[in-house]
Amino acid sequence: QVQLVESGGGVVQPGRSLRLSCAASGFTFSSYAVEWVRQAPGKGLEWVALISYDGTNKYYADSVKGRFTISRDNSENTLYLQMNSLRPDDTAVYYCARVDDGGWGDYWGQGALVTVSS
Amino acid sequence: DIVMTQSPDSLAVSLGERATFNCKSSQSVLYSSNSKNYLAWYQQKPGQPPKLLIYWASTRESGVPDRFSGSGSGTDFALTISSLQAEDVAVYYCQQSYSSPYTFGQGTKLEIK
Repeated sequence: QVQLVESGGGVVQPGRSLRLSCAASGFTFSSYAVEWVRQAPGKGLEWVALISYDGTNKYYADSVKGRFTISRDNSENTLYLQMNSLRPDDTAVYYCARVDDGGWGDYWGQGALVTVSS
Repeated sequence: DIVMTQSPDSLAVSLGERATFNCKSSQSVLYSSNSKNYLAWYQQKPGQPPKLLIYWASTRESGVPDRFSGSGSGTDFALTISSLQAEDVAVYYCQQSYSSPYTFGQGTKLEIK
């Protein structure tokens, strides 16, 4: 069955960096776009970034553009999110999701909590 | 960026009654070349990731009960639960995937009256 498992979350000071990983299994990872979506505590969903099946195309929310980098390793079936210059308002649960043909997330991981605090 | 606005922010409905959620996009999400609306609905229960319910505005995801239905086109959309069950208590989000960034609405919280 399709599984997505995030890792790498934790507590980090403002201005520092963190890298999230998302290990995929149960489907042909290299055939699908994948994305990151975050949810601040008690708030709604915020789309963060998407990467095409082959890594050629990457798209970002304005709130993270220039600070976050999405990447993937199709040989390792893993999605990454490099987060630099972290701010307190980046505090959230970060979900990875497989993206279906129309652009929506059809399978989601359980999420990784990132807390940016001094 | 396309802004997605959901209404109401919260909704209380009696068991067995109909629940309707609205979603409006700031510009059309209907792609003329294939006549498809790039609009999806998700359900999120506390402590869980979102679950895809509806895509292409009106196509139910596999395994989703048929009491859930989606409608609308262009800029105005709705998600309807025909007969509310206790397990439907959740927050419901719409999302457009017509153009990046793939924005979500702010969500509608559904409670039992």
